[in-house]
Amino acid sequence: DTGVSQDPRHKITKRGQNVTFRCDPISEHNRLYWYRQTLGQGPEFLTYFQNEAQLEKSRLLSDRFSAERPKGSFSTLEIQRTEQGDSAMYLCASSLVRGPGELFFGEGSRLTVL
Amino acid sequence: KQEVTQIPAALSVPEGENLVLNCSFTDSAIYNLQWFRQDPGKGLTSLLLIQSSQREQTSGRLNASLDKSSGRSTLYIAASQPGDSATYLCAVGKSSNDYKLSFGAGTTVTVRA
Repeated sequence: DTGVSQDPRHKITKRGQNVTFRCDPISEHNRLYWYRQTLGQGPEFLTYFQNEAQLEKSRLLSDRFSAERPKGSFSTLEIQRTEQGDSAMYLCASSLVRGPGELFFGEGSRLTVL
Repeated sequence: KQEVTQIPAALSVPEGENLVLNCSFTDSAIYNLQWFRQDPGKGLTSLLLIQSSQREQTSGRLNASLDKSSGRSTLYIAASQPGDSATYLCAVGKSSNDYKLSFGAGTTVTVRA
């Protein structure tokens, strides 16, 4: 499978715990994006990388959130001291730097904070 | 800030009927527009991408049109099937520098057998 891969698909955690999600983009894609989607809403932009550089962070990305993309390959999104409001689907997407700008999304990681 | 609106929020049609899904956006200075399909609890599947210089794109039973000046796009699905039941999301890309997308809330389609 050469698509965007996300892990884990589902995570249930207790409030206050830390969680980490991983995204493996399509291999030749330089850009990687994180989005968050709550029930009944469209995805909202969180952050994006070009290679290993994090080029933009949304104001939605509080200090408890951190994203990395070491070596410009896979990316991780960590949420520290989770809150119930963090419950959502976290979606990863990737794209080429040049071209029509089509984004390809993974299956998402669903977080439930109890 | 780009605002993307999709109306209606939900739609139910009998099998075989053609579907018309609407998307409007407030800032006409866009780079591209993508339509996605999302099944319950799943990720997004890209259906069609329209560049800002294009008026429409077609793939099989799907046709998407773009009227940038009026801030509108329409997704047509011909001869709907129960397997077309899903949520359809419209997303607008503003810049070729980053390809970030602004999404609508989606239209949830049910095709009745």
